[in-house]
Amino acid sequence: QKEVEQNSGPLSVPEGAIASLNCTYSDRGSQSFFWYRQYSGKSPELIMSIYSNGDKEDGRFTAQLNKASQYVSLLIRDSQPSDSATYLCAVSTNYGGSQGNLIFGKGTKLSVKP
Amino acid sequence: DARVTQTPRHKVTEMGQEVTMRCQPILGHNTVFWYRQTMMQGLELLAYFRNRAPLDDSGMPKDRFSAEMPDATLATLKIQPSEPRDSAVYFCASGLEGTPYEQYFGPGTRLTVT
Repeated sequence: QKEVEQNSGPLSVPEGAIASLNCTYSDRGSQSFFWYRQYSGKSPELIMSIYSNGDKEDGRFTAQLNKASQYVSLLIRDSQPSDSATYLCAVSTNYGGSQGNLIFGKGTKLSVKP
Repeated sequence: DARVTQTPRHKVTEMGQEVTMRCQPILGHNTVFWYRQTMMQGLELLAYFRNRAPLDDSGMPKDRFSAEMPDATLATLKIQPSEPRDSAVYFCASGLEGTPYEQYFGPGTRLTVT
């Protein structure tokens, strides 16, 4: 059973701080890793994707991947109240019949306090 | 502005009734996914189509759920008969096969079965 684990939170950070969200996965064959943001009552929105070990930066967001440790994280710098949402980690394989299937974690709820 | 559309957005029905949900994927995307989201289980994959062919429906209760893609612009998810435990938000997502293999979600159908 392929699994993606996230701390459910809530993770509370003050405005302007760095929020750190973590995710571990069980399938060593995983190739693609995604972070989705989901506001309450809305659909998941893709915010970051990462495919190789290391860091990937996009604006205030940095995704970090360590395949040896089966660990992926998302850092949000200068957190804003508008970043308050549930962040879903998703993992995919790029081979075989399940190519493209995403396994989602249950999400970490982030609350940014003004 | 390319986006996935879903209808209806909300559906309230009585137990035993048939429910049909529709999805229009982003034009040019060749993969379609149906997910169900509940507080307890999070996002669960129900069915997955590539080039309109069903590839994986192992997450779907076969006795009451069915998913089809009659053409490239329409995917349907049907529940017959519906049960209270089917109450959830059903999301459709579409993607383009290849790398990166990113999925984009529609707004969802909130289903309540009484």
